[in-house]
Amino acid sequence: EVQLQESGPGLVKPSQSLSLTCSVTGYSITSNYWGWIRKFPGNKMEWMGYISYSGSTSYNPSLKSRISITRDTSKNQFFLQLNSVTTEDTATYYCARAGLRRVPFDYWGQGVMVTVSS
Amino acid sequence: DIVLTQSPATLSVTPGESVSLSCRASQGISTSIHWYQQKSNESPRLLIKYASQSISGIPSRFSGSGSGTDFTLSINRVESEDFSVYYCQQSYSLPYTFGAGTKLELK
Repeated sequence: EVQLQESGPGLVKPSQSLSLTCSVTGYSITSNYWGWIRKFPGNKMEWMGYISYSGSTSYNPSLKSRISITRDTSKNQFFLQLNSVTTEDTATYYCARAGLRRVPFDYWGQGVMVTVSS
Repeated sequence: DIVLTQSPATLSVTPGESVSLSCRASQGISTSIHWYQQKSNESPRLLIKYASQSISGIPSRFSGSGSGTDFTLSINRVESEDFSVYYCQQSYSLPYTFGAGTKLELK
């Protein structure tokens, strides 16, 4: 069974970097696409980006140059780094698997809530 | 970016009723729409892909329709476990975007 699990700090200070790990079991991240999605307080959802089976990436332009998604295939993990965070980055962050067409997201992690506050 | 408008924002129903949830795109997106259900304190669950394609393990009372700009998620005879928030998501063009959600609540 495909399972995804996010991990990382629940509290980040403004201007610092947010770093999250998604650990995948039951499926290799060298297949399919793997994404990060966040849900803000108030329920708005935002696609942040993905990393492909080959390691190529695509990001939401709204995040400009602040975002980076990388991976460690030996550990079957992929990572999110979001730089220069503000309080507006407070959200629940989900990692998810997508099909070979990059969508839809068919398996999701349980989510990790990240608060940006001093 | 493509804007998805979901309506209504909240739908109050009694178990056994059949309902339709709407998702309207700001431009034509063919059938590149997907529907998710999210229960409180859970992660989203994929219900329907590409407007009308069913997903293994999803009850048959859930169905989707539409193309172009107007899409519908239908629930035939709502059950108590269906009370949650429903989101549509488009994959026609990057960045992928989500609707604001429709909350299905118990009347």
